[in-house]
Amino acid sequence: DQQVKQNSPSLSVQEGRISILNCDYTNSMFDYFLWYKKYPAEGPTFLISISSIKDKNEDGRFTVFLNKSAKHLSLHIVPSQPGDSAVYFCAASARDDKIIFGKGTRLHILP
Amino acid sequence: EAQVTQNPRYLITVTGKKLTVTCSQNMNHEYMSWYRQDPGLGLRQIYYSMNVEVTDKGDVPEGYKVSRKEKRNFPLILESPSPNQTSLYFCASSFGAPGSYEQYFGPGTRLTVT
Repeated sequence: DQQVKQNSPSLSVQEGRISILNCDYTNSMFDYFLWYKKYPAEGPTFLISISSIKDKNEDGRFTVFLNKSAKHLSLHIVPSQPGDSAVYFCAASARDDKIIFGKGTRLHILP
Repeated sequence: EAQVTQNPRYLITVTGKKLTVTCSQNMNHEYMSWYRQDPGLGLRQIYYSMNVEVTDKGDVPEGYKVSRKEKRNFPLILESPSPNQTSLYFCASSFGAPGSYEQYFGPGTRLTVT
């Protein structure tokens, strides 16, 4: 039973355009959401997070939107740069010690 | 430099031969976790620790043991490895609970069990 779903295994976006990565969740108890980015042969690195009391959080080129009624969040990257090519993991928690990750979406930024 | 280190980075072993993967952090973080990454399955939490001598199971704890005798170290122990434990393993640490705080991940340990 997948509680955090990233339904797009991969996504290709032209450099300079907007990248939108999507994530759906099923557990209504989740109240904190995080995005991690992973390059090959490295560990994941934290990107941005959002609490369920907000519907948007922005950090530079990265913005996360949360739609609680749809149990959906998205990560927007504007403008997309070559260094953004990586695997992006969505994660969720019910503010406790456990965290559930999605399967990841591989983002390719095309020149 | 703030970091999480894991050793070894690569390990090939045989079924049933006990092994330990070490993890150490230099950020004085309370929480440490172990994850495995498998193709098509993403990252799954194996065990986590909230402090010295306090550990708990994550989503996939079967076949693994952990200990937290010192704050900086959190080794992962496979008492009798099996081929289904072939995976990429990551250790992580965080100031607070992994679900609420940014985690810092190690570089990963690629384990192959034949």
